[in-house]
Amino acid sequence: AQTVTQSQPEMSVQEAETVTLSCTYDTSESDYYLFWYKQPPSRQMILVIRQEAYKQQNATENRFSVNFQKAAKSFSLKISDSQLGDAAMYFCAYPRRKLIWGLGTSLAVNP
Amino acid sequence: GAGVSQSPRYKVAKRGQDVALRCDPISGHVSLFWYQQALGQGPEFLTYFQNEAQLDKSGLPSDRFFAERPEGSVSTLKIQRTQQEDSAVYLCASSLVAGTLAYGYTFGSGTRLTVV
Repeated sequence: AQTVTQSQPEMSVQEAETVTLSCTYDTSESDYYLFWYKQPPSRQMILVIRQEAYKQQNATENRFSVNFQKAAKSFSLKISDSQLGDAAMYFCAYPRRKLIWGLGTSLAVNP
Repeated sequence: GAGVSQSPRYKVAKRGQDVALRCDPISGHVSLFWYQQALGQGPEFLTYFQNEAQLDKSGLPSDRFFAERPEGSVSTLKIQRTQQEDSAVYLCASSLVAGTLAYGYTFGSGTRLTVV
């Protein structure tokens, strides 16, 4: 069965600094996608970035990038130049039609 | 509409009361999901529709939970005889194409249900 693990319940970062959120997963599939979602206090899940497993290149979306290590089944999210608006819960998710979620990491951004 | 709309945004129910939560997905979206998110937890899958067909209801926690999408657009999640453990945020998500996992899903802002 597929599982997703986020081992950091809480993280904090200074504004303008860089932070990395960890995620590991387990699957027997060879071709799949991985997502990072952001959930601010408004509760709406917002897709931050996605990675296609068959692509060697790490996905990048502006200040957000991933470090995808397929063999190690690791999918970490790096946020560069952190902003106050980045404060939120971040969830790693593995789609198998329904999404399989990690428990989330609460990110605080300190001014 | 432009996004996934859920109503009500907040609902307080007395234990034993029936509630109905509504999800209005993006127009034309084929797939629709319901998730339950307890406080401080990740979402847990409840059920999945492809158009009007409920293809997976394996996550519904008990027979008190019932979901429908009769015309393949708006969906309603109904909880009968609510109990305190039903208190959670209920998230709805929709996707344009059935069977594709590539683009994620668009989520609504959820309904926070509190059972007192």
